[in-house]
Amino acid sequence: AQTVTQSQPEMSVQEAETVTLSCTYDTSESDYYLFWYKQPPSRQMILVIRQEAYKQQNATENRFSVNFQKAAKSFSLKISDSQLGDAAMYFCAYRSTGNQFYFGTGTSLTVIP
Amino acid sequence: DTAVSQTPKYLVTQMGNDKSIKCEQNLGHDTMYWYKQDSKKFLKIMFSYNNKELIINETVPNRFSPKSPDKAHLNLHINSLELGDSAVYFCASSQELGRDTDTQYFGPGTRLTVL
Repeated sequence: AQTVTQSQPEMSVQEAETVTLSCTYDTSESDYYLFWYKQPPSRQMILVIRQEAYKQQNATENRFSVNFQKAAKSFSLKISDSQLGDAAMYFCAYRSTGNQFYFGTGTSLTVIP
Repeated sequence: DTAVSQTPKYLVTQMGNDKSIKCEQNLGHDTMYWYKQDSKKFLKIMFSYNNKELIINETVPNRFSPKSPDKAHLNLHINSLELGDSAVYFCASSQELGRDTDTQYFGPGTRLTVL
């Protein structure tokens, strides 16, 4: 079974600085998708960024980018120019070829003004 | 405009009661899900369902049952509520397959409190 591990329960970053959230996963599949979701205090789960495993190029969405290392099964999220609104719980997720989603345990990000 | 909606947002009830949470998606997706998020924020999938197959997480008690009147709705029925059922329940949907439409879209969550 696939597993997703987020080894950082909590992280903090100074406003305007850069922070990297870690995620590793375990799978025997070669084709899959990876996601980062953000959950602010409002509880809404918001898609931040996604990466297709068949693509070598790292996905980027404005201030958010990933470092996808397929061989190492690593999928970290980099947030540049951190803003107060980035404070939230961040979940890494894996989607299998069978359309099942697996989530990590989350990383709570605090942004310090 | 809301892509995935859930009602109610908050639900407070007594142990032993039976309750339902409704979920609707207007994205035309084929697959819908129910997740439970406990007090430690751990997100656990309960069910995934499309018009062909219901996949049940075997750790989910049979007091929980999904009911889908049509492709756009997947309601969650819970019988004989227990204290441990208190959590936030999220509904989500995705297109079943397809490289560009695989993203899961979540509802706002329903906070269930069992007294």
